[in-house]
Amino acid sequence: QSALTQPASVSGYPGQSITISCTGTSSDVGGYNYVSWHQQYPGRAPKLMIFDVTNRPSGVSSRFSGSKSGNTASLTISGLQAEDEAEYYCTSYTSSPTLVFGGGTKLTVL
Amino acid sequence: QLQLQESGPGLVKPSETLSLTCTVSGGSITTSDYYWGWIRQPPGKGLEWIGSIYYAAKTYSNPSLKSRISIFIDTSKNQFSLRLSSVTAADTAVYYCATLSRWLTYIESWGQGTLVTVSP
Repeated sequence: QSALTQPASVSGYPGQSITISCTGTSSDVGGYNYVSWHQQYPGRAPKLMIFDVTNRPSGVSSRFSGSKSGNTASLTISGLQAEDEAEYYCTSYTSSPTLVFGGGTKLTVL
Repeated sequence: QLQLQESGPGLVKPSETLSLTCTVSGGSITTSDYYWGWIRQPPGKGLEWIGSIYYAAKTYSNPSLKSRISIFIDTSKNQFSLRLSSVTAADTAVYYCATLSRWLTYIESWGQGTLVTVSP
């Protein structure tokens, strides 16, 4: 199974919105509404931010939202804050069944 | 609230078997609500799903690792474990245990992770 494709880095100014893409195939992202997103600070364990494409776990800010079109899923963070600076990973259920990760995107808040 | 804690040797020699255990507290490992799983992250790199197990011992594994891994549950200790055989330096990573949704569709929560180094 091949890793999902994410941009290596994105950046934005406080208050702005940014979007991180996650591209797969019809065997993973495109075939199921089971894309999730995790946030990871350096030296820390990841944290679930979005599951099943659009759902937020309890306690996650509404500034985080997810969507999907075809084989590409997206994470949007609105009202960017300094604390959002982290690495973000997408994950998708696959037809095997297995889970596959994206390579990660480093978000820099300028 | 479930808590997960990894334990095991921090140093393993090449060609030997890496063994890690995840202790579950705050709930029963025999619950049907979750899969239990292992994910790893080489230093400075991204995340890789290793494999998962359900309370009924149903397991799924990353195809790239399947021939080398074993995941099993010890209900008497409320633990699940990972064994990875024939390790090389490429297996050096932080290993996380985690809970996954009951349909294996996403990772819900993570342990703090433990670094395992493969070195002579």
